[in-house]
This record gives sequence, C-alpha cells and structure tokens, in this order.
Amino acid sequence: DAGVIQSPRHEVTEMGQEVTLRCKPISGHNSLFWYRQTMMRGLELLIYFNNNVPIDDSGMPEDRFSAKMPNASFSTLKIQPSEPRDSAVYFCASTLPGQLQETQYFGPGTRLLVL
Amino acid sequence: AQTVTQSQPEMSVQEAETVTLSCTYDTSESDYYLFWYKQPPSRQMILVIRQEAYKQQNATENRFSVNFQKAAKSFSLKISDSQLGDAAMYFCAYRSIWGGSNYKLTFGKGTLLTVNP
Repeated sequence: DAGVIQSPRHEVTEMGQEVTLRCKPISGHNSLFWYRQTMMRGLELLIYFNNNVPIDDSGMPEDRFSAKMPNASFSTLKIQPSEPRDSAVYFCASTLPGQLQETQYFGPGTRLLVL
Repeated sequence: AQTVTQSQPEMSVQEAETVTLSCTYDTSESDYYLFWYKQPPSRQMILVIRQEAYKQQNATENRFSVNFQKAAKSFSLKISDSQLGDAAMYFCAYRSIWGGSNYKLTFGKGTLLTVNP
C-alpha cells in the first residue's frame, strides 16, 4: 500500500510568492493532519481534518496560511504571501481513528525555503 | 495542556551496544497513547513503537522496547544491539484518547542518536 504522499518534496520560493503544498492521505484514512517542523519550535500541529472537515485550526500561524480538504484523498496547505520565517519542513499525516492505537502515519515532508 | 520532555538532546552508542532514550510527559488524563518516532536524515517520520497507557505490559518491537512507568509519567526507549541504521533523531509523542482537537500528537524536542562503528 502506498503511504502518505506529499508534493513537492522541496520548494524554494521568494518572499511574497504563493506556495501550495499537497497531500494525499493513505486510502481509507479519514483524519488528516498538517504539521510544521522548525528548529526553534520543533514539531507542531497546524490543522487537523476529520472526514474532510477542519476540526482544529488553532495552530495555523496567521491568515496567510489556509488549508483545504476538498475530498477524502486530497488536501492542500497554502501560504500567501510567503515569508522567510515560513521556511520549515511541512508534514502531512493521516490516521483512521479507532484503529491501531490511533497511529498517525507521516508523509515524507515538504522542505520549504522562502528567500 | 500536555507536555513532553526529552532531556537528552544528544546521545551516542557503540554499534551492537544498548542505549536508552528518556522521555517524560505531563498530563492529567488517565488514558492516552505514547509513541516513539524516528527521523533519519531523510526527514521521514517513521513509527518505531507505540504504547497504550491502559496496558501495563511494555511494548516491544524487535530490538526496540519501552519502559513505561505510568505513575512516574516516564516512557523511555531502549534500543538493543544498536546498528548504524539506528542513527537518527528520535521523538517521543503523546496523544490523548479523546477526539476533537486532542487527536493531535504532542512531540518532545527530540534526541539525536549517533551510532559509532
């Protein structure tokens, strides 16, 4: 089975540009998470979807960040406009509540660099 | 809010030896899940082992085992017969059993493990 798929794997952009990160969860998983990893703050949750509905977006830094999950197999995280402090590794994870101790399976991450 | 503390920023071990990584957490809940994830240089987050708080038996996965001390809120990871491929950043994580926003994983800061040949 394919794991969580993220694209792009690496993104380099200039400040002010729009950035869109993509995620395809494991088939059948109905919960999806976006995490951000930085040296300063470690791994932190940005937003969590259940059955395509955002449940908790309290971790979204500011209005420049937005996330959508139009269907069960696809989610996007958009940053507009991007800033150098957004540089980080962004992970998508999925899980099926009630199964396997609620284990979250992570994608390979997108390494974002904003110049 | 729950917190997870990994007090060892870095650890090193000789190949074939045993190493223990420490993790403590703070919670007022009685049931929850605990995880150890491994992050090699590729940055992929790989599940190593998981433990349900209501299970007294310590989880084991091949060379990896945990020492779960619920009263002490301690969840250490023991790696036996260390291999060069075990070199990575290791993260301890907590997850509530309750739904809603509690589905998120709360991570420690990580321990960087070096394996010396």
